[in-house]
Amino acid sequence: DIQMTQSPPTLSASVGDTVTITCRASQSISTWLAWYQQKPGKAPNVLIYKVSTLESGVPSRFSGSASGTEFALTISSLQPDDFATYYCQQYNTYPYTFGQGTKLEIK
Amino acid sequence: QVQLQQWGAGLLKSSETLSLTCGVYGDSFSGFYWTWIRQPPGKGLEWVGQIDQWGSTRYNPSLKSRLTISIDTSKNQFSLILTSLTAADTAVYYCARGPPDGFDPWGQGTLVTVSS
Repeated sequence: DIQMTQSPPTLSASVGDTVTITCRASQSISTWLAWYQQKPGKAPNVLIYKVSTLESGVPSRFSGSASGTEFALTISSLQPDDFATYYCQQYNTYPYTFGQGTKLEIK
Repeated sequence: QVQLQQWGAGLLKSSETLSLTCGVYGDSFSGFYWTWIRQPPGKGLEWVGQIDQWGSTRYNPSLKSRLTISIDTSKNQFSLILTSLTAADTAVYYCARGPPDGFDPWGQGTLVTVSS
């Protein structure tokens, strides 16, 4: 299985900050990488797919990038609604796998 | 706008069989994969398996011997059956559409608790 190593596990930040969450794949996944936001008791919502394509309706302060097998989700100008848990996911190779998650907390 | 609504029993005993169904409303099955994902309480997400409109399936190898995913295009539904349950199968189970544009949308989730 492809391992998705996501960091950091927890991130404390303030409203207005810019934060970056990273995900490293254990082997090539081409551009088949998605990012999800999950709030307690709710299903995840896709934010970005194919590394950097923003899902319709997702604010432009969310962006995705890649360098080889390292992927990043950047959230600019954090808003109160952004404090949640974020997951990366590769869907290049079966079984599809997720990162362990990053909990973004209010500082 | 497509919506997914899932249903099935949530409290089961060890060795029993889990059966969940996901209804697709507002769109057809054509051109998409239909997926099951689970999340143990307080933990991360695990891809369970998927099916396409033709009934072709892919399963997580960790579950393959116990798992069946099927589709009923006449009812716009797809289903999951997981046999020989243990406490390790306790999780919220989600249905979802996708890939290729990630998984979207998702069902509301069903908490499945396996007791001994």
